[in-house]
Amino acid sequence: SQQGEEDPQALSIQEGENATMNCSYKTSINNLQWYRQNSGRGLVHLILIRSNEREKHSGRLRVTLDTSKKSSSLLITASRAADTASYFCATDADGNNRLAFGKGNQVVVIP
Amino acid sequence: DGGITQSPKYLFRKEGQNVTLSCEQNLNHDAMYWYRQDPGQGLRLIYYSQIVNDFQKGDIAEGYSVSREKKESFPLTVTSAQKNPTAFYLCASSRTRDRFHQPQHFGDGTRLSIL
Repeated sequence: SQQGEEDPQALSIQEGENATMNCSYKTSINNLQWYRQNSGRGLVHLILIRSNEREKHSGRLRVTLDTSKKSSSLLITASRAADTASYFCATDADGNNRLAFGKGNQVVVIP
Repeated sequence: DGGITQSPKYLFRKEGQNVTLSCEQNLNHDAMYWYRQDPGQGLRLIYYSQIVNDFQKGDIAEGYSVSREKKESFPLTVTSAQKNPTAFYLCASSRTRDRFHQPQHFGDGTRLSIL
């Protein structure tokens, strides 16, 4: 069942700016994951954050998780044209790695 | 390099025809998944398999069938009962050791259209 819901749905920024996307969910989770999808391609895993973690970093990516508000954010710092893609959050509610995906955020980085 | 291979990249189906989408992985992953993606939408789970010779229905299994006879392979058949099969189909795999926190690895998809 669909659970993740990203906000905003579409984002257009200049190269070098930061991009922030939010994701909300409805039920308790085991972990939350962010994926990137380039046009016409498969998804690429970016970061997994467990329910007992509050923040995680990977390179220019920063993910936060607030389980009390049932929300997560993905921050891309110093964006590049190559960051142009759709970004999806996905939640694992029961630890069976059965993911529920949001509808995605389309990010366009203008050179 | 290890990865997931989906074939064909594009597939066309005639009315009343069954078609099979291939998914092969050499990552030695136990779990495999099939998703459907419609334009501007997220992924919806069709079927998944945690181990060879076992699989479970996902959220939208009607009109689809799968088999898991080998660890490396998880083919998806889109049957004639699926009345709206036009979509982008994605296959994924993951480890199950410490299964609570495993990312999924995706193939590059098969785009299915109706003739």
